[in-house]
Amino acid sequence: KAGVTQTPRYLIKTRGQQVTLSCSPISGHRSVSWYQQTPGQGLQFLFEYFSETQRNKGNFPGRFSGRQFSNSRSEMNVSTLELGDSALYLCASSFGGSGVTDTQYFGPGTRLTVL
Amino acid sequence: GENVEQHPSTLSVQEGDSAVIKCTYSDSASNYFPWYKQELGKGPQLIIDIRSNVGEKKDQRIAVTLNKTAKHFSLHITETQPEDSAVYFCAASIKAAGNKLTFGGGTRVLVKP
Repeated sequence: KAGVTQTPRYLIKTRGQQVTLSCSPISGHRSVSWYQQTPGQGLQFLFEYFSETQRNKGNFPGRFSGRQFSNSRSEMNVSTLELGDSALYLCASSFGGSGVTDTQYFGPGTRLTVL
Repeated sequence: GENVEQHPSTLSVQEGDSAVIKCTYSDSASNYFPWYKQELGKGPQLIIDIRSNVGEKKDQRIAVTLNKTAKHFSLHITETQPEDSAVYFCAASIKAAGNKLTFGGGTRVLVKP
């Protein structure tokens, strides 16, 4: 079974630009969560999507947004990029809908560098 | 909100020895505790998880224990091998928060051959 895929793997942007990252979950999984990983703040939860609806949200500014499509693929968007947005963005996939916290499987991440 | 602390931040062990990583959590409502291993350039890989209705779980050389009263859980790796070298993260989740995981700061483990 194919794992979680994320594209692109690397991105370089300049301040003020916007960026869109993509995540394809494991086949059959309907929940996609996004995390930001930085050396200073560690792994932080951004948001979760299930059945095309945002089900949970972390403490990030509104510049960070996401969506999920009917095939469970998800995208996250960061607008007006700041230097501090440089990070590894990780997507995690799970079945969803079980009523308990699912086992989550992570993709390889997208490394975003903001210059 | 939930807070997870992880210790130590670095751990160096001799091949064949055991490694223990400890985490504490703040919210007594937490009920799911996974452990992830992250190698350089890769995403976190789930190695073992435990739910609050279980006190201990083992999978070959890896075991996790949970003490709900003290609000801490630990990862035990026995007979360490060089390929166990990586960064390990603990996490906690509250059922009401769905799939949101709160992570500890990570432990860099180095297994010396």
